[in-house]
Amino acid sequence: GQNIDQPTEMTATEGAIVQINCTYQTSGFNGLFWYQQHAGEAPTFLSYNVLDGLEEKGRFSSFLSRSKGYSYLLLKELQMKDSASYLCAVRDPNDYKLSFGAGTTVTVRA
Amino acid sequence: DAGITQSPRHKVTETGTPVTLRCHQTENHRYMYWYRQDPGHGLRLIHYSYGVKDTDKGEVSDGYSVSRSKTEDFLLTLESATSSQTSVYFCAISAGDRYNEQFFGPGTRLTVL
Repeated sequence: GQNIDQPTEMTATEGAIVQINCTYQTSGFNGLFWYQQHAGEAPTFLSYNVLDGLEEKGRFSSFLSRSKGYSYLLLKELQMKDSASYLCAVRDPNDYKLSFGAGTTVTVRA
Repeated sequence: DAGITQSPRHKVTETGTPVTLRCHQTENHRYMYWYRQDPGHGLRLIHYSYGVKDTDKGEVSDGYSVSRSKTEDFLLTLESATSSQTSVYFCAISAGDRYNEQFFGPGTRLTVL
């Protein structure tokens, strides 16, 4: 079975940093994805980790520890447009299906 | 946007009515997926396809069937819609050049009264 946990909601101030944690217990692992989803829109791909460590892409970074079943997405220099839901997803190595967490809604306040 | 469209974008129907949702892609990708998204549950896989006429069930497949007679089209059918199938439905393809990540269509909002 797949069990992927994320906090439901987070609030932060414009210009600040927010870290969204994701823990997973899955029957297999072939990479972890982060997606961003604005209200009423489709999810869009943000980042991918398959090896331990930090991947940086502009204001967004994603970290993975496979031994701990743990990842985080770090959003720096928060902007109002970063208010969205952030979805953590683990890929199955056998059939490449994704299992998603329930998502974390981030609200950025002025 | 990976050339994915979904139709219809919005639909209201009555319990017991059959409903078919269409996903269309323009780039010949092999893998296609249907998800539903509900508050508190995130995205849950209904069915997926790994080629023409090749489909398999996801975690919430009861009450749904799919068909893929052409590479570009993946159809999701609710044979007899129920109120519990009120949801937002997303189609996706695996298409990323580097990570084979999934790209999502714009979604269909379905309401079953």
